[in-house]
Amino acid sequence: EDQVTQSPEALRLQEGESSSLNCSYTVSGLRGLFWYRQDPGKGPEFLFTLYSAGEEKEKERLKATLTKKESFLHITAPKPEDSATYLCAAPPANQAGTALIFGKGTTLSVSS
Amino acid sequence: DTGVSQNPRHKITKRGQNVTFRCDPISEHNRLYWYRQTLGQGPEFLTYFQNEAQLEKSRLLSDRFSAERPKGSFSTLEIQRTEQGDSAMYLCASSLINRAETQYFGPGTRLLVL
Repeated sequence: EDQVTQSPEALRLQEGESSSLNCSYTVSGLRGLFWYRQDPGKGPEFLFTLYSAGEEKEKERLKATLTKKESFLHITAPKPEDSATYLCAAPPANQAGTALIFGKGTTLSVSS
Repeated sequence: DTGVSQNPRHKITKRGQNVTFRCDPISEHNRLYWYRQTLGQGPEFLTYFQNEAQLEKSRLLSDRFSAERPKGSFSTLEIQRTEQGDSAMYLCASSLINRAETQYFGPGTRLLVL
């Protein structure tokens, strides 16, 4: 069964304390691994798409990486405004252009 | 603002009532998706349209749910005879046909069924 699992469920960091969020997936023939940020009461905001193992993408303090079994979202020197829930998602195998399967998310809290 | 918009943003209704939500996608996007999200969970797929055709429905979409996209532009999601278990955030997303997986989400409609 196609599945996306995120860990940890919650992460508390001090401002400037770098860390990583994990997303593991069991989707055969991966057609992309997606990272979104979601603020409370809002819809998910697209961050990155990764298509192949070894690929990396960066945006400000965030860097996403992909291996054959998992993806990491590295947060370097986070600020309080980085506090949000980070979701990863992947399209299911053998279904072109349809639903994304989401993990439950990692809720990040950064305190000053 | 050229993003995905949804109306209303909040809806409170009594059990048994019907509700309808509207989604306006990014104008050039051919594909439109509906998801449902409950507290502490990621979004769960409900259905999607390519232009005006509804191409896939999740098992989550019971007979009380119906979605339309009559002219291939905006879409509506109707829930008949609402139940307390329908309380959730209903999210709409859209994408281009050739970049289908890169979906852009609206702000959502939060439904509370009393």
